[in-house]
Amino acid sequence: QQQVKQSPQSLIVQKGGISIINCAYENTAFDYFPWYQQFPGKGPALLIAIRPDVSEKKEGRFTISFNKSAKQFSLHIMDSQPGDSATYFCAATRLNQAGTALIFGKGTTLSVSS
Amino acid sequence: DTGVSQNPRHKITKRGQNVTFRCDPISEHNRLYWYRQTLGQGPEFLTYFQNEAQLEKSRLLSDRFSAERPKGSFSTLEIQRTEQGDSAMYLCASSSQGVSYGYTFGSGTRLTVV
Repeated sequence: QQQVKQSPQSLIVQKGGISIINCAYENTAFDYFPWYQQFPGKGPALLIAIRPDVSEKKEGRFTISFNKSAKQFSLHIMDSQPGDSATYFCAATRLNQAGTALIFGKGTTLSVSS
Repeated sequence: DTGVSQNPRHKITKRGQNVTFRCDPISEHNRLYWYRQTLGQGPEFLTYFQNEAQLEKSRLLSDRFSAERPKGSFSTLEIQRTEQGDSAMYLCASSSQGVSYGYTFGSGTRLTVV
């Protein structure tokens, strides 16, 4: 059972364009939704995260949009740059449970062409 | 370097051999997590320590896998009688207060079983 479904699997965007990656979750108890960026040979690094009490969070060129009723959230990368080329993972978890292991989506490989 | 350190970075082993990986978390982090990431997939949770206590284990952690954190600092993950299906990136993460506080991944250990 895949608790977090991510799409698309891969994405090609021109420099300066908007990259959009979508995720859907099943467990309504999830209350923390981070996005991670991973470069080859490196571990995932936290990019931005949102709690379900807000519908949008923006940090620089990165924005999370959250739709609680639809159980969906998305990452928007504005003015995409070649340096943004990486694999992006959405994740979800319950903050109030012991351990709070993250449940990850399968990832989206983003290529930004110059 | 104050990040999460994992050693070795790469390990090639023959099927049936035992392997051990080490994770040194950020020094003030009392929570430590192990994940496994196969090609084209997101990380999957394996196990969680709070200080020296192993508090949670995933169903993915078969009886061939064992993890320890003897003094609440570094942790080791051992795989006995390795199988080709064990080939993956093994990631360690640490945090101070759970997933929403400084959750930091290491660069991982890439295991190849031949």
